[in-house]
Amino acid sequence: GAGVSQSPSNKVTEKGKDVELRCDPISGHTALYWYRQSLGQGLEFLIYFQGNSAPDKSGLPSDRFSAERTGGSVSTLTIQRTQQEDSAVYLCASSPGEAGGDTQYFGPGTRLTVL
Amino acid sequence: GDSVTQMEGPVTLSEEAFLTINCTYTATGYPSLFWYVQYPGEGLQLLLKATKADDKGSNKGFEATYRKETTSFHLEKGSVQVSDSAVYFCALFNAGNNRKLIWGLGTSLAVNP
Repeated sequence: GAGVSQSPSNKVTEKGKDVELRCDPISGHTALYWYRQSLGQGLEFLIYFQGNSAPDKSGLPSDRFSAERTGGSVSTLTIQRTQQEDSAVYLCASSPGEAGGDTQYFGPGTRLTVL
Repeated sequence: GDSVTQMEGPVTLSEEAFLTINCTYTATGYPSLFWYVQYPGEGLQLLLKATKADDKGSNKGFEATYRKETTSFHLEKGSVQVSDSAVYFCALFNAGNNRKLIWGLGTSLAVNP
């Protein structure tokens, strides 16, 4: 079956522009996660959705970052007024959710470069 | 809060050598433990997992045993191959605390022919 997909795979933008990153989770997975992987650093948790609600937004680094999930499926991560320090690989993962286990399945990521 | 510490790399081995990558954790309750692998140019893949104390996860010749008494989940393989060259991440999931994966910083492994 289809795995987690993300688009675009690469995004180059200018400082100050807004970007939207998209994640399509595995069908039927109720939980969705966004992480950020910066060069030379580990993975950083950003936000977690259970269904359409976000019980944990604690990882969003600033109010320039927001995310939404509609229909319990696709999610978009929006970064407003991008800064160079936002350059990273943004990873999306999904899992069956609270009733279905905790293994997370990752998409290939979106590599964001802010010039 | 919960945390994961794994040995720093890079680790360089010759083919058929024995591999150990250490991982220790700090957590309340009863977390699940994972090893993920990231091959060059690819996304993160689950390698193996263990959900309770004394469980052994295994896959592709890799093994890790959940040791609650030492709060460890060390990754081992008896004979590595060039194709095992990748970055390995230890991670913890604690549903009782929050539902996000807590990650180690990753250990880069290079296997030479």
